[in-house]
Amino acid sequence: GAGVSQSPRYKVAKRGQDVALRCDPISGHVSLFWYQQALGQGPEFLTYFQNEAQLDKSGLPSDRFFAERPEGSVSTLKIQRTQQEDSAVYLCASSLRWEGLGGQPQHFGDGTRLSIL
Amino acid sequence: GENVEQHPSTLSVQEGDSAVIKCTYSDSASNYFPWYKQELGKGPQLIIDIRSNVGEKKDQRIAVTLNKTAKHFSLHITETQPEDSAVYFCAASIRRDGAGNMLTFGGGTRLMVKP
Repeated sequence: GAGVSQSPRYKVAKRGQDVALRCDPISGHVSLFWYQQALGQGPEFLTYFQNEAQLDKSGLPSDRFFAERPEGSVSTLKIQRTQQEDSAVYLCASSLRWEGLGGQPQHFGDGTRLSIL
Repeated sequence: GENVEQHPSTLSVQEGDSAVIKCTYSDSASNYFPWYKQELGKGPQLIIDIRSNVGEKKDQRIAVTLNKTAKHFSLHITETQPEDSAVYFCAASIRRDGAGNMLTFGGGTRLMVKP
């Protein structure tokens, strides 16, 4: 079946502009995660949704970052007043409802590469 | 919070040889350890995972071992092929009530398999 879909694949914005990144999770996956991956590094956790509820936003780097998932399916990560340090790949992952030791495997999309000029 | 260290950062092997990548974690409560393969321009692809109630898991040419006492786990790839060339990431997670199982990733290993 279809995997996690993210759009746009590439986004270039000028410093100070607002951007919105979209994630379509695998159908039926109730858990959705956003990660940020800097060049040459491993992904870092940003925020977590279970259905429409944002249960963990401890990884969001500042109040300029905002995420939502209003109907428990598609999610949007918004960054306001972008800065150069926001340049990175933003990855979305989804998984089935938690059960079992350690939870369910997370499946990633191909990410959005954000470049701030 | 959890901290995951991964070694080596780069690994070059001849086709047909084995490759081993090692990771250590800091939080003894971690109970799920996935491995991801990431190719250029793509997202991480889950290749194998292990939970804390087992010590070893194998899937064809790929195996993972877990030592909970020492808090380290390793990825073993046998009979390497050029298409195994990619960046590999280990990760660890703890399932937290009401907060999901966020992953903490290692820094990655660039594996190059020379034909």
